[in-house]
Amino acid sequence: EVQLLESGGGLVQPGGSLRLSCAASGFTFSSYAMSWVRQAPGKGLEWVSAISGSGGSTYYADSVKGRFTISRDNSKNTLYLQMNSLRAEDTAVYYCATIMITSYTFDIWGQGTMVTVSS
Amino acid sequence: QSALTQPASVSGSPGQSITISCTGTSSDVGGYNYVSWYQQHPGKAPKLMIYEVSNRPSGVSNRFSGSKSGNTASLTISGLQAEDEADYYCSSYTSSSTLAWVFGGGTKLTVL
Repeated sequence: EVQLLESGGGLVQPGGSLRLSCAASGFTFSSYAMSWVRQAPGKGLEWVSAISGSGGSTYYADSVKGRFTISRDNSKNTLYLQMNSLRAEDTAVYYCATIMITSYTFDIWGQGTMVTVSS
Repeated sequence: QSALTQPASVSGSPGQSITISCTGTSSDVGGYNYVSWYQQHPGKAPKLMIYEVSNRPSGVSNRFSGSKSGNTASLTISGLQAEDEADYYCSSYTSSSTLAWVFGGGTKLTVL
């Protein structure tokens, strides 16, 4: 069964850091580009970042560029999101998702992990 | 990146058909056939329902269909059922950056 399981969310003060993880199983992880998508409480979906299957190419939304870093460890079938200089507006549920790169589609989604930035 | 424009809410009775629109620009919806639709029930993760404008993933009911005209994409749900009540989001690849996606603001579907 294809599965994505996020972890690492929690409460952090403004200006702080947090690292999210997404453990993948049931498919050949290194063959898939991956992405992070977030959803603020009561709001819509927002694309955050993406990474190629090899990890050699990374992409970021303007809202997180310079503060967040996406990476992956294909030997551990795990995707990461390092979040620095966190702001209140980064408060959201963070989902990881596989990307069907031929159609630029988010295919399989994890259950999400909540990040709350507050003092 | 600006969000795509969706109606905040739509409603329909069981058995009826509804259509949700998703309006963008020539840099996203109008410029590429990379429009997808996602269904999200409360407290759950989004689920892919339509990709590449009109393709259904395996396992998605054929009551769900997609189309596009110019800068506007549409999701149609026919034969409405109670379990279709959910939030629906459109998404498109966009050329406004090196590589990016943009989402619509979401539409709440109520089955009366």
